[in-house]
Amino acid sequence: QITLKESGPTLVKPTETLTLTCTFSGFSLFSSGVGVGWIRQPPGKALEWLALVYWNGDKRYSPSLRSSLTITKDTSQNQVALTMTNMDPVDTATYYCAHYLKAEQIFEHWGQGTLVTVSS
Amino acid sequence: SYELTQPPSVPVSPGQTASITCSGDKLGDKYVTWYQQRPGQSPVVVIYQDNKRPSGIPERFSGSNSGNTATLTISGTQPMDEADYYCQAWDISTCVFGTGTELTVL
Repeated sequence: QITLKESGPTLVKPTETLTLTCTFSGFSLFSSGVGVGWIRQPPGKALEWLALVYWNGDKRYSPSLRSSLTITKDTSQNQVALTMTNMDPVDTATYYCAHYLKAEQIFEHWGQGTLVTVSS
Repeated sequence: SYELTQPPSVPVSPGQTASITCSGDKLGDKYVTWYQQRPGQSPVVVIYQDNKRPSGIPERFSGSNSGNTATLTISGTQPMDEADYYCQAWDISTCVFGTGTELTVL
């Protein structure tokens, strides 16, 4: 059974850096064709893809947020982290991590999401 | 940047067929995934690679993709299908989600 869970601060101040951690089980980032991605959803709005890291270390970022995002993996710990710098109130959203299958091109399993509010 | 456009809302009566469209430039050249998101829940894949159903997804869900438009079709819509639906595709190395459609089962 594949599970993912996001963790991190629920409240950050404008200009601060956000770091979220995705801890997963039921699969390994040693496995070929597997990845973990981050997707966010502002309240009442659409899903927005942020970043993806593959089993082989390749990384992909949203072009519009590339300069503020860093995704890293700790394969032995079954964790993927996302860092977002210079947070703004518009970044208030539920942040999801998800298990990705490259062959099928799908985010097959999602975490429950964590709501991050950006406010002074 | 690449964009995927969906109608904001689609109403459907129980038992009828609902069609949700997703439009993007040369979308038919890409694989499209459809996600269902019920209120307060995380998204779930209902269709992938244009027309494949994951195990556990009812047969009433089907998909197609040609030209500039992909379509999610729900036949015999049930009240439990009321949710937001998002299409998703890759444009080179960028993942793009659609604008989302609220399916209302009246």
